[in-house]
Amino acid sequence: DSGVTQTPKHLITATGQRVTLRCSPRSGDLSVYWYQQSLDQGLQFLIQYYNGEERAKGNILERFSAQQFPDLHSELNLSSLELGDSALYFCASKPGQGAGEQFFGPGTRLTVL
Amino acid sequence: SQQGEEDPQALSIQEGENATMNCSYKTSINNLQWYRQNSGRGLVHLILIRSNEREKHSGRLRVTLDTSKKSSSLLITASRAADTASYFCATDGAKEGAQKLVFGQGTRLTINP
Repeated sequence: DSGVTQTPKHLITATGQRVTLRCSPRSGDLSVYWYQQSLDQGLQFLIQYYNGEERAKGNILERFSAQQFPDLHSELNLSSLELGDSALYFCASKPGQGAGEQFFGPGTRLTVL
Repeated sequence: SQQGEEDPQALSIQEGENATMNCSYKTSINNLQWYRQNSGRGLVHLILIRSNEREKHSGRLRVTLDTSKKSSSLLITASRAADTASYFCATDGAKEGAQKLVFGQGTRLTINP
C-alpha cells in the first residue's frame, strides 16, 4: 500500500458524459501527478500539481482538466467522454517537485460505453 | 508518443535465472527510473539512476545507464515467481522544479516455477 488513495476504483459511463476522478496523496506529499494508461498509448503523463499550482503538463486533452485543492487532494475532470478515453487513470504523489520516486495509487479504471 | 522503447516486449524465464530488460530513449535526461506493475495495479518504484551515474545496485536489481547510447538495462538476478510483472523505464528530462516522467511501453516478465 503506497498511501495514495484513488476513488472510485471503477467507473462505467457513456460517451458524452463527464466524470471526476479523485486522488488523495500520501500524508505530507505536496506534488500530485496524473497518468493515463491505455493499451494503445501506454502510460502517459497528463499533468503535475505542486502545492495547489500546476507545474508540468503532458499529453492532456483540452477536454480534461485537473486541480489540486488546499488540503492537497486532487481531482481529474474528464468531459465529453469518448470511447478512446477508456483507460486506467493513475495518480501519484511525492514530497517535493523535482527528481525522485513517485508513489502510485491503485488507479481508477474508466470504461466509456 | 513514448520516449522510451523497451525490449523485449515479453520475456519468459525459469525461476532462478537472471532476467535482463533494456530501455532506449530519445532525448537528454536528468535521471532514469524503473518501475514495476503487477497486473493492472499501481506502479511501484524500483530504482533511480542519475544521468551522471553508470551503474546502480539495489538488492537483486542492477541498473546500468549509457547516456552516449541513450540506453539503460535492468537486470534481475536469481528471479522468483513473485517477480512476474511488467517493468517500465521512465525518463525525466524536465527543468528544475518540475518532473515529467515519460514511460516506455514496458516489458512483461513471466517467471515460470
